[in-house]
Amino acid sequence: DTAVSQTPKYLVTQMGNDKSIKCEQNLGHDTMYWYKQDSKKFLKIMFSYNNKELIINETVPNRFSPKSPDKAHLNLHINSLELGDSAVYFCASSQVEGLMIEKLFFGSGTQLSVL
Amino acid sequence: GQSLEQPSEVTAVEGAIVQINCTYQTSGFYGLSWYQQHDGGAPTFLSYNALDGLEETGRFSSFLSRSDSYGYLLLQELQMKDSASYFCAVRDNSGGYQKVTFGTGTKLQVIP
Repeated sequence: DTAVSQTPKYLVTQMGNDKSIKCEQNLGHDTMYWYKQDSKKFLKIMFSYNNKELIINETVPNRFSPKSPDKAHLNLHINSLELGDSAVYFCASSQVEGLMIEKLFFGSGTQLSVL
Repeated sequence: GQSLEQPSEVTAVEGAIVQINCTYQTSGFYGLSWYQQHDGGAPTFLSYNALDGLEETGRFSSFLSRSDSYGYLLLQELQMKDSASYFCAVRDNSGGYQKVTFGTGTKLQVIP
């Protein structure tokens, strides 16, 4: 009954390869995100989609391309992987309630290691 | 620009009370939230303050002062399982769109 699920949990790959991470939420939320967490645990927003429409692109290299086929899915494709892409990538979804309260619900993360 | 500052590490004794502070600089501020993240896990939502004052949820309370651009998370009756990283996060519309931006996190170690 996972609310936000992402796959795979671990991804080990060589520099230069292309890889994808998939994310699905069953909460009925309109907004989905990708966050990157580096080795120092800094959580940085990468992209945000609202109802399949790209809202935020935080100066992420264009090797990263998000795709949202419907509002329940937000996938992340990464081309030409570099060593610096090694991090944990979290998908999240949210809905704004009441006093503009926005709760983010995170997936379990994908640990990407580029060798 | 936008910035959030919180202490990098805090150590406290089981059963005690600990306060984790957060100061922020942003524009178009909507609210301050707190998330907990255990090692190897995902961040989970703890609380949200849109208005000044204290919000209490069980052993956890969160405070906001909009005029001081300051908030804190208060954890009471500390338990070993509270050892985790705690992130403050602001919801704002800096940059022309609404988003949630996280602080650098405070690693809390609870010792016996």
